[in-house]
Amino acid sequence: AQSVTQLGSHVSVSEGALVLLRCNYSSSVPPYLFWYVQYPNQGLQLLLKYTSAATLVKGINGFEAEFKKSETSFHLTKPSAHMSDAAEYFCAVSDHRNTGNQFYFGTGTSLTVIP
Amino acid sequence: DGGITQSPKYLFRKEGQNVTLSCEQNLNHDAMYWYRQDPGQGLRLIYYSQIVNDFQKGDIAEGYSVSREKKESFPLTVTSAQKNPTAFYLCASSSLQVSIYGYTFGSGTRLTVV
Repeated sequence: AQSVTQLGSHVSVSEGALVLLRCNYSSSVPPYLFWYVQYPNQGLQLLLKYTSAATLVKGINGFEAEFKKSETSFHLTKPSAHMSDAAEYFCAVSDHRNTGNQFYFGTGTSLTVIP
Repeated sequence: DGGITQSPKYLFRKEGQNVTLSCEQNLNHDAMYWYRQDPGQGLRLIYYSQIVNDFQKGDIAEGYSVSREKKESFPLTVTSAQKNPTAFYLCASSSLQVSIYGYTFGSGTRLTVV
């Protein structure tokens, strides 16, 4: 079985500070990992994904995430927070099997950016 | 531009009514999904379909029904049997290689019972 755990349902950072959103996964096979962002009253937008290539993945809007197998983690970071980064962030895990429901989302982390 | 369209954006339902949420995609994706989103609970899968005229129940299918008569369309009906339908509903689509490419989401429908 697969799952993801997002530590911290709410994270607050000051504008210009480092953003760190945590995601740990459990998977019995090598995983594919995704981060999505959701702005209020909108759908989810893909930020970045790890599919067994480079362990450091760069995404849109200056975000990046590092796959660490030894820690079963895929934490999302951004060096300097901007007000426009305030949103809900979801981590998701899947694997190489192509069945329709083999895609699991975390419960989300709400990011607040303080001016 | 290719994308996935949900309508309406806001929907109000009276007690005992059935309502249908629309989801259309022009991405030529084989698979389509419906999720329900409640505050603090993340996304919960209602139904999904990988091929026309076939669909599977997700984790919370009770009180909902779907159809997949066309590849492009996957409407969701919230029936009167769904006791707590107020939520944000998200439709998504993907190629069959969802593990590699992930989902494309619509912009959502917010359903409120009045």
